[in-house]
Amino acid sequence: DGGITQSPKYLFRKEGQNVTLSCEQNLNHDAMYWYRQDPGQGLRLIYYSQIVNDFQKGDIAEGYSVSREKKESFPLTVTSAQKNPTAFYLCATPRPGDTGELFFGEGSRLTVL
Amino acid sequence: GQNIDQPTEMTATEGAIVQINCTYQTSGFNGLFWYQQHAGEAPTFLSYNVLDGLEEKGRFSSFLSRSKGYSYLLLKELQMKDSASYLCAVMDSNYQLIWGAGTKLIIKP
Repeated sequence: DGGITQSPKYLFRKEGQNVTLSCEQNLNHDAMYWYRQDPGQGLRLIYYSQIVNDFQKGDIAEGYSVSREKKESFPLTVTSAQKNPTAFYLCATPRPGDTGELFFGEGSRLTVL
Repeated sequence: GQNIDQPTEMTATEGAIVQINCTYQTSGFNGLFWYQQHAGEAPTFLSYNVLDGLEEKGRFSSFLSRSKGYSYLLLKELQMKDSASYLCAVMDSNYQLIWGAGTKLIIKP
Protein backbone atom coordinates (compact mmCIF):
# COMPACT_ATOMS: atom_id res chain seq x y z
CA ASP A 1 0.00 0.00 0.00
CA GLY A 2 1.18 3.55 -0.72
CA GLY A 3 1.92 5.69 2.27
CA ILE A 4 4.30 7.81 4.28
CA THR A 5 6.44 6.32 7.03
CA GLN A 6 8.29 8.02 9.85
CA SER A 7 10.83 6.55 12.21
CA PRO A 8 11.53 6.28 15.01
CA LYS A 9 8.18 6.74 16.73
CA TYR A 10 9.84 7.68 20.02
CA LEU A 11 13.31 9.10 20.49
CA PHE A 12 15.22 10.28 23.52
CA ARG A 13 18.37 12.32 23.31
CA LYS A 14 20.69 14.14 25.60
CA GLU A 15 21.30 17.84 25.30
CA GLY A 16 24.01 18.64 22.80
CA GLN A 17 23.30 15.68 20.52
CA ASN A 18 22.07 15.83 16.96
CA VAL A 19 19.30 13.42 15.97
CA THR A 20 17.88 12.55 12.57
CA LEU A 21 14.24 11.69 11.96
CA SER A 22 13.43 9.60 8.93
CA CYS A 23 10.53 10.22 6.53
CA GLU A 24 9.92 7.97 3.52
CA GLN A 25 7.00 7.98 1.07
CA ASN A 26 6.12 5.64 -1.78
CA LEU A 27 3.30 7.78 -3.18
CA ASN A 28 5.55 9.28 -5.87
CA HIS A 29 4.67 12.76 -4.61
CA ASP A 30 6.98 15.67 -5.34
CA ALA A 31 6.30 17.78 -2.25
CA MET A 32 7.15 16.87 1.32
CA TYR A 33 6.87 18.90 4.54
CA TRP A 34 8.10 18.77 8.12
CA TYR A 35 5.94 20.17 10.92
CA ARG A 36 6.43 20.54 14.63
CA GLN A 37 3.51 20.22 17.05
CA ASP A 38 3.56 21.52 20.62
CA PRO A 39 0.69 21.40 23.14
CA GLY A 40 -1.72 24.30 22.77
CA GLN A 41 -0.24 25.44 19.47
CA GLY A 42 -1.02 24.90 15.83
CA LEU A 43 1.29 22.95 13.58
CA ARG A 44 4.34 24.97 12.62
CA LEU A 45 6.23 24.45 9.38
CA ILE A 46 9.93 23.69 9.74
CA TYR A 47 11.05 22.93 6.18
CA TYR A 48 9.41 21.96 2.94
CA SER A 49 10.55 20.57 -0.36
CA GLN A 50 8.64 20.89 -3.64
CA ILE A 51 11.04 18.78 -5.68
CA VAL A 52 14.14 16.62 -5.39
CA ASN A 53 17.36 18.49 -4.55
CA ASP A 54 15.46 21.59 -3.46
CA PHE A 55 14.04 22.66 -0.11
CA GLN A 56 12.92 25.86 1.59
CA LYS A 57 12.86 27.11 5.16
CA GLY A 58 9.53 27.29 6.89
CA ASP A 59 8.53 29.46 9.81
CA ILE A 60 10.78 27.82 12.43
CA ALA A 61 13.81 26.44 10.55
CA GLU A 62 16.46 27.58 13.05
CA GLY A 63 18.22 24.62 14.65
CA TYR A 64 17.02 22.16 12.01
CA SER A 65 18.42 20.87 8.73
CA VAL A 66 17.04 18.69 5.93
CA SER A 67 18.11 17.03 2.69
CA ARG A 68 16.18 15.84 -0.35
CA GLU A 69 18.53 13.64 -2.34
CA LYS A 70 15.80 11.20 -3.35
CA LYS A 71 12.16 11.81 -4.19
CA GLU A 72 10.94 9.33 -1.61
CA SER A 73 13.07 10.52 1.32
CA PHE A 74 13.11 13.77 3.34
CA PRO A 75 15.06 13.32 6.60
CA LEU A 76 15.06 15.99 9.31
CA THR A 77 18.04 16.59 11.59
CA VAL A 78 17.41 18.27 14.90
CA THR A 79 20.70 19.88 15.80
CA SER A 80 22.10 20.86 19.16
CA ALA A 81 21.40 24.47 18.17
CA GLN A 82 17.64 23.90 18.54
CA LYS A 83 16.97 25.36 21.97
CA ASN A 84 13.73 23.54 22.76
CA PRO A 85 13.60 20.38 20.66
CA THR A 86 11.17 18.33 22.74
CA ALA A 87 8.08 18.05 20.51
CA PHE A 88 6.02 15.86 18.22
CA TYR A 89 7.39 15.96 14.67
CA LEU A 90 5.17 15.26 11.68
CA CYS A 91 6.19 14.62 8.11
CA ALA A 92 3.54 15.17 5.43
CA THR A 93 2.98 15.14 1.70
CA PRO A 94 0.10 16.88 -0.13
CA ARG A 95 -2.18 15.01 -2.48
CA PRO A 96 -1.60 16.36 -5.99
CA GLY A 97 -4.64 18.21 -7.33
CA ASP A 98 -7.06 20.94 -6.37
CA THR A 99 -7.57 20.31 -2.69
CA GLY A 100 -4.04 19.27 -1.75
CA GLU A 101 -4.99 17.72 1.56
CA LEU A 102 -2.05 16.42 3.53
CA PHE A 103 -1.15 12.82 4.21
CA PHE A 104 0.83 12.57 7.43
CA GLY A 105 3.30 10.04 8.71
CA GLU A 106 2.69 8.52 12.14
CA GLY A 107 4.85 11.15 13.82
CA SER A 108 8.04 11.05 15.87
CA ARG A 109 8.03 12.13 19.49
CA LEU A 110 11.40 13.53 20.52
CA THR A 111 12.24 14.04 24.17
CA VAL A 112 15.40 15.75 25.30
CA LEU A 113 16.63 14.53 28.67
CA GLY B 1 -0.78 38.91 11.36
CA GLN B 2 -2.54 35.71 10.42
CA ASN B 3 -4.73 34.04 12.98
CA ILE B 4 -6.98 31.02 13.39
CA ASP B 5 -9.24 30.80 16.46
CA GLN B 6 -11.06 27.74 17.70
CA PRO B 7 -12.20 26.72 21.18
CA THR B 8 -9.63 24.86 23.24
CA GLU B 9 -11.95 22.15 24.53
CA MET B 10 -15.56 21.01 24.17
CA THR B 11 -17.59 18.29 25.84
CA ALA B 12 -20.56 16.47 24.34
CA THR B 13 -22.67 13.39 24.99
CA GLU B 14 -22.62 10.18 23.01
CA GLY B 15 -25.38 10.22 20.38
CA ALA B 16 -25.69 14.02 20.40
CA ILE B 17 -24.62 16.70 17.91
CA VAL B 18 -21.70 19.09 18.37
CA GLN B 19 -20.55 22.11 16.39
CA ILE B 20 -16.90 23.19 16.46
CA ASN B 21 -16.32 26.74 15.28
CA CYS B 22 -13.30 28.21 13.57
CA THR B 23 -12.72 31.88 12.74
CA TYR B 24 -9.82 33.08 10.69
CA GLN B 25 -7.96 36.18 9.58
CA THR B 26 -5.47 35.41 6.84
CA SER B 27 -3.70 37.04 3.94
CA GLY B 28 -5.92 35.75 1.21
CA PHE B 29 -7.88 32.52 1.12
CA ASN B 30 -7.43 29.36 -0.92
CA GLY B 31 -9.44 26.90 1.09
CA LEU B 32 -10.15 25.69 4.60
CA PHE B 33 -9.40 22.22 5.93
CA TRP B 34 -10.56 20.22 8.92
CA TYR B 35 -8.45 17.39 10.31
CA GLN B 36 -9.06 14.90 13.10
CA GLN B 37 -6.23 13.94 15.42
CA HIS B 38 -6.47 11.23 18.05
CA ALA B 39 -4.13 11.56 21.02
CA GLY B 40 -0.59 10.55 20.12
CA GLU B 41 -1.41 10.05 16.46
CA ALA B 42 -1.07 12.00 13.24
CA PRO B 43 -3.87 14.20 11.87
CA THR B 44 -6.17 12.71 9.24
CA PHE B 45 -8.07 14.72 6.66
CA LEU B 46 -11.80 15.26 7.21
CA SER B 47 -13.01 17.99 4.86
CA TYR B 48 -12.15 20.84 2.53
CA ASN B 49 -14.20 23.96 1.79
CA VAL B 50 -13.31 26.62 -0.74
CA LEU B 51 -16.79 27.94 -1.63
CA ASP B 52 -19.45 29.18 0.77
CA GLY B 53 -21.90 26.62 1.98
CA LEU B 54 -22.22 23.25 3.58
CA GLU B 55 -20.32 20.11 2.60
CA GLU B 56 -21.74 16.90 4.00
CA LYS B 57 -19.82 13.67 4.38
CA GLY B 58 -21.63 11.03 6.38
CA ARG B 59 -21.92 12.05 10.05
CA PHE B 60 -19.57 15.00 9.49
CA SER B 61 -20.42 18.29 7.78
CA SER B 62 -18.36 21.42 7.30
CA PHE B 63 -19.64 24.92 6.63
CA LEU B 64 -17.84 27.96 5.27
CA SER B 65 -18.64 31.68 5.10
CA ARG B 66 -15.78 33.52 3.44
CA SER B 67 -17.30 36.97 4.03
CA LYS B 68 -17.40 36.29 7.78
CA GLY B 69 -14.09 34.41 7.97
CA TYR B 70 -15.94 31.59 9.65
CA SER B 71 -16.28 27.85 9.42
CA TYR B 72 -17.75 25.12 11.55
CA LEU B 73 -17.48 21.36 11.71
CA LEU B 74 -20.69 19.59 12.65
CA LEU B 75 -20.53 16.08 14.07
CA LYS B 76 -23.79 14.13 14.34
CA GLU B 77 -24.66 10.93 16.22
CA LEU B 78 -21.53 11.23 18.28
CA GLN B 79 -19.61 8.07 19.07
CA MET B 80 -16.95 7.51 21.70
CA LYS B 81 -14.36 7.12 18.92
CA ASP B 82 -15.01 10.76 17.95
CA SER B 83 -13.09 11.82 21.07
CA ALA B 84 -10.13 13.58 19.47
CA SER B 85 -8.73 16.98 18.62
CA TYR B 86 -10.11 18.75 15.57
CA LEU B 87 -7.75 21.03 13.70
CA CYS B 88 -8.83 23.91 11.47
CA ALA B 89 -6.34 25.09 8.83
CA VAL B 90 -6.58 27.80 6.18
CA MET B 91 -4.53 28.03 2.99
CA ASP B 92 -3.47 31.64 2.43
CA SER B 93 -2.73 33.53 -0.78
CA ASN B 94 0.77 31.99 -0.92
CA TYR B 95 -0.71 28.49 -0.62
CA GLN B 96 0.77 28.14 2.85
CA LEU B 97 -1.30 26.44 5.54
CA ILE B 98 -2.08 28.39 8.70
CA TRP B 99 -3.14 26.08 11.54
CA GLY B 100 -5.37 26.62 14.53
CA ALA B 101 -4.33 25.14 17.87
CA GLY B 102 -7.08 22.55 17.71
CA THR B 103 -10.23 21.80 19.68
CA LYS B 104 -10.14 18.83 22.03
CA LEU B 105 -13.52 17.11 21.94
CA ILE B 106 -14.46 14.95 24.91
CA ILE B 107 -17.37 12.56 24.47
CA LYS B 108 -19.17 11.37 27.59
CA PRO B 109 -21.41 8.27 27.71
